[in-house]
Amino acid sequence: NAGVTQTPKFQVLKTGQSMTLQCAQDMNHEYMSWYRQDPGMGLRLIHYSVGAGITDQGEVPNGYNVSRSTTEDFPLRLLSAAPSQTSVYFCATYPYRVHYYEQYFGPGTRLTVT
Amino acid sequence: DAKTTQPNSMESNEEEPVHLPCNHSTISGTDYIHWYRQLPSQGPEYVIHGLTSNVNNRMASLAIAEDRKSSTLILHRATLRDAAVYYCILRDVGGKLIFGQGTELSVKP
Repeated sequence: NAGVTQTPKFQVLKTGQSMTLQCAQDMNHEYMSWYRQDPGMGLRLIHYSVGAGITDQGEVPNGYNVSRSTTEDFPLRLLSAAPSQTSVYFCATYPYRVHYYEQYFGPGTRLTVT
Repeated sequence: DAKTTQPNSMESNEEEPVHLPCNHSTISGTDYIHWYRQLPSQGPEYVIHGLTSNVNNRMASLAIAEDRKSSTLILHRATLRDAAVYYCILRDVGGKLIFGQGTELSVKP
């Protein structure tokens, strides 16, 4: 039981490049979400999903796309990377029907855009 | 989304109790009070949550004011491993966690 896994752990991109951050979970949780954390700041919600085929925007969705074709995976796509997207990205999950349940966070992906 | 207010930082001595306050004056009746902490270079981890009554678990205790406009996370005996940023979050029925700045707790040996 791996919990929440994120790949890659580290990534350096040039401005304008695209890439996909991967998030996978093996707990059969309906709810998955993406956060970003800038240095010295709290986490900000980018996008979230309450089940396969359903996604919605969080606080800071611009510059990111998501899709949810399976329960297990929730990839985050950067279409054209910008230096302002340099951050640490965390994925989180929980069983949606138990709305007060704890959320499980992945270890994070540290992204640098030059 | 209802907001929370926490002190930016607090200090504690090892093996002493720590009381981390949180104000949430705009809390709604269906908001749960959640606490998460983030150790250095790690993702946040769940600590405790409550709705109206005080709660205890193996990690901490949560004391909730009668009017629910404030709460306090209590670490009964701080250890060096408890040094982290502690986030107080109001969670609505949709499940979104909206993080604030949190309180950075340092523990002195």
